[in-house]
Order: sequence, then structure tokens, then C-alpha cells
Amino acid sequence: QITLKESGPPLVKPTQTLTLTCTFSGFSLYTSGVGVGWVRQPPGKALEWLALIYWDDDKYYSPSLRNRLTITKDTSKNEVVFTMTDMDPVDTATYYCTHSFEGVLVPFDYWGQGALVTVSS
Amino acid sequence: QSALTQPASVSGSPGQSITISCTGTSSNVGTYNLVSWYQQHPAKAPKFMIYEDNKRPSGVSNRFSGSKSGNTASLTISGLQAEDEAHYYCCSYAGSNTWVFGGGTKLTVL
Repeated sequence: QITLKESGPPLVKPTQTLTLTCTFSGFSLYTSGVGVGWVRQPPGKALEWLALIYWDDDKYYSPSLRNRLTITKDTSKNEVVFTMTDMDPVDTATYYCTHSFEGVLVPFDYWGQGALVTVSS
Repeated sequence: QSALTQPASVSGSPGQSITISCTGTSSNVGTYNLVSWYQQHPAKAPKFMIYEDNKRPSGVSNRFSGSKSGNTASLTISGLQAEDEAHYYCCSYAGSNTWVFGGGTKLTVL
């Protein structure tokens, strides 16, 4: 079965860079059509799509956050790494790693448990 | 990219049907047949419920159905059950491999 798990620091200081790792099993980023992405959710608020990387290394970012985000993959390790620069308290949120399939047709069909990241000095 | 518009809350009694709307624009909902819906219980990760406007993934109850007209998509839950009480989020493809979520709707089962 497909599982994903986020890991990273629970606390970052303002202006620092956040780095989160998604470690997954049950699928491979060698498979055509497969993608791994990130979605966040501030406490008590809505979901927000952030970034997505596909099996062919194509990468896509939220237009409003594009200049702060980077997504990369290590296919052999079944890992995807997400970074967000210049963190601010408004970036406090639970960050979810997601699986997508068949390109844009089946988005976010599996989710990790989420990682709560608090931005505070 | 503005978020899709959903009602903040809806409610219904057990056994009834409810519908949650999701309004976008001609740049997302109105152009692509790629609206998906997610159910989220408190302190849990979202669960994938509907994709491509009206398709159900394996394992999702047929009490959940999706539809769309113009720039507005809808999620209907029939035969409401206590376990359906949760937040529901719509999401639409917005072109160029980007996605936009709705603001979320809290469903209360009375």
C-alpha cells in the first residue's frame, strides 16, 4: 500500500529556510505519471497547494510562492525534499506530502500524516 | 490565484442529503473537468473522495457524488451519517500544472 511520511524540524526561526523530507513507499518515482507534492494548512484554516514534482523531474510551484520554494527528488531513495526560504510566522502550518497519479488527472490521492511547523523566534 | 469559494458551513440530519458548492472561475473550474474533493476529520489528513469532477476512487461510498455546472462544482452526500461530519475541501486544476483549493466547508450532522 502507498504510504508517505513527512520529516523535518517542528520549529524554525523567522528568516530561516525550512527543509522537509517526504519518505514514501508503495510506489516509485520511476513510474510514468507519478508525482509527489506538498500542501500546507495553517491552524484552523484551509488547504493550500505548494509544489509538485513528477517522475520525469518536471517541477511546478504555487505562483504566489514560487520564488521561495524548491522541490527535488531522490528516486533511488524514495524521497522528495521541499524547501521554503525566508520563513515568517504566517508560514506556521501543517505541511503534508501527497501522491498524485496519471499526471493531473488524479491529484493528491494519498496523503502523509502531516508535519506541524511553527515559525517563531 | 484566488481560492475557490465554498460555504463556511452546512448541516443536515441523519438520512438527509446535503450539497456543498464550490465556485471558481473560467480559469479553473469552468475550463477543466478536474475538480477533486477531500474530506478531513479533526486532526487527520485529508481523504481523497472525488476526482475528475464526478469519479469516485475505489473504496469511497457511493453516497458521495460530484457534479459541475459552469464555474460551480458540487459535492452531494446522500443518506447522511454521523461519520460524515467533517470539513470538506474542493480543489481544481488551474492550468500549467497548478492547483487551487477552496476555503473549506464544515459539515455538521444534527
